[in-house]
Amino acid sequence: SQTIHQWPATLVQPVGSPLSLECTVEGTSNPNLYWYRQAAGRGLQLLFYSVGIGQISSEVPQNLSASRPQDRQFILSSKKLLLSDSGFYLCAWSVRVGEKLFFGSGTQLSVL
Amino acid sequence: SQQGEEDPQALSIQEGENATMNCSYKTSINNLQWYRQNSGRGLVHLILIRSNEREKHSGRLRVTLDTSKKSSSLLITASRAADTASYFCATDTNRLAFGKGNQVVVIP
Repeated sequence: SQTIHQWPATLVQPVGSPLSLECTVEGTSNPNLYWYRQAAGRGLQLLFYSVGIGQISSEVPQNLSASRPQDRQFILSSKKLLLSDSGFYLCAWSVRVGEKLFFGSGTQLSVL
Repeated sequence: SQQGEEDPQALSIQEGENATMNCSYKTSINNLQWYRQNSGRGLVHLILIRSNEREKHSGRLRVTLDTSKKSSSLLITASRAADTASYFCATDTNRLAFGKGNQVVVIP
């Protein structure tokens, strides 16, 4: 069966520090991969999605970047965090774009 | 991208009652999905209804879709305390766009 792993679960980082969040999927090949951010009490904002290795689409210009070095690995990064980068980050995958999403357990990021 | 908007945004009911949530959207869709999120956790997919479908059932869940009104409803029958969560609708045009969610509290 397919599983998705996302870590760390919580992270507290100072302003200006770098960020690296990792997400891996097991049990499937060539998944579509997504990074979402959820502000407190808000809906989900799609940040990046990828349909294949090295293929990244950005939905919102911002301080973050994403990479997909392997088929089932998706990384969210920042060189210098801002206070506004705080939030709950969720990785997800799907078989096809627009179809059912399977979410990871999320990373609560606090930038202080 | 368009987003679904859930209504009401907060709902408090007694265990055993039915809970109904609505979602409205603005443009044509391929499908509409409902997800559930427990506090501090990832979202879990509940049900997907395609644009050519009008109603779908899954256990105690019933989803309707009215494309002429650009709206959907999620009904949870015989609610349980464990149904306490946030519920999100998501619309697919080219990619999924999520609404802000509906907080449901089921009181034992």
